[in-house]
Amino acid sequence: GAVVSQHPSRVICKSGTSVKIECRSLDFQATTMFWYRQFPKQSLMLMATSNEGSKATYEQGVEKDKFLINHASLTLSTLTVTSAHPEDSSFYICSARVTGGGNSPLHFGNGTRLTVT
Amino acid sequence: QQQVKQSPQSLIVQKGGISIINCAYENTAFDYFPWYQQFPGKGPALLIAIRPDVSEKKEGRFTISFNKSAKQFSLHIMDSQPGDSATYFCAVPRSNDYKLSFGAGTTVTVRA
Repeated sequence: GAVVSQHPSRVICKSGTSVKIECRSLDFQATTMFWYRQFPKQSLMLMATSNEGSKATYEQGVEKDKFLINHASLTLSTLTVTSAHPEDSSFYICSARVTGGGNSPLHFGNGTRLTVT
Repeated sequence: QQQVKQSPQSLIVQKGGISIINCAYENTAFDYFPWYQQFPGKGPALLIAIRPDVSEKKEGRFTISFNKSAKQFSLHIMDSQPGDSATYFCAVPRSNDYKLSFGAGTTVTVRA
């Protein structure tokens, strides 16, 4: 149980284009999902919290107009990287909890490797 | 914001040996301390977690030891196997909300 699916697993795009990444909770409902970013050989950095039915909340320093988040249903959140540039190349990973509490496990998708050329 | 200090950055252990990774934190609002295992190109997978009403939790070859007064916890991998070669992250809920802050990661290499 508690499977989080992410799509696509890899994407290459040209500079200036936009890319959408999907995150689905397959066997549970998630009112909240989290988007992380990971550079090579580095830790996971929380970018934003996706809230079903309301606006996403962004971490300090993360541009909300560049990283658009939509939490359209209890099982789907999307991250759109707008006007992508090479410095946006990274590993993007979504996660969700089965329940909303701080003491419940956080489950991750398998990530999306974004390469901007 | 939460500061999570994880050490060592990397370690090499012989097959059958013990791997030990340490994590220290400043403050947290929630008593929940997980360890994640990540293989290259994959998302992190929850390995084991502890709620510090106990000082130790064991699942198979993996053990968490927790010292609440020192704000430290550690992961022990007993009888390390080549398949354990991965990067391990500790995580701590932030002091102002339940969102997780991650340690810098420890790359474990188990030599056959």
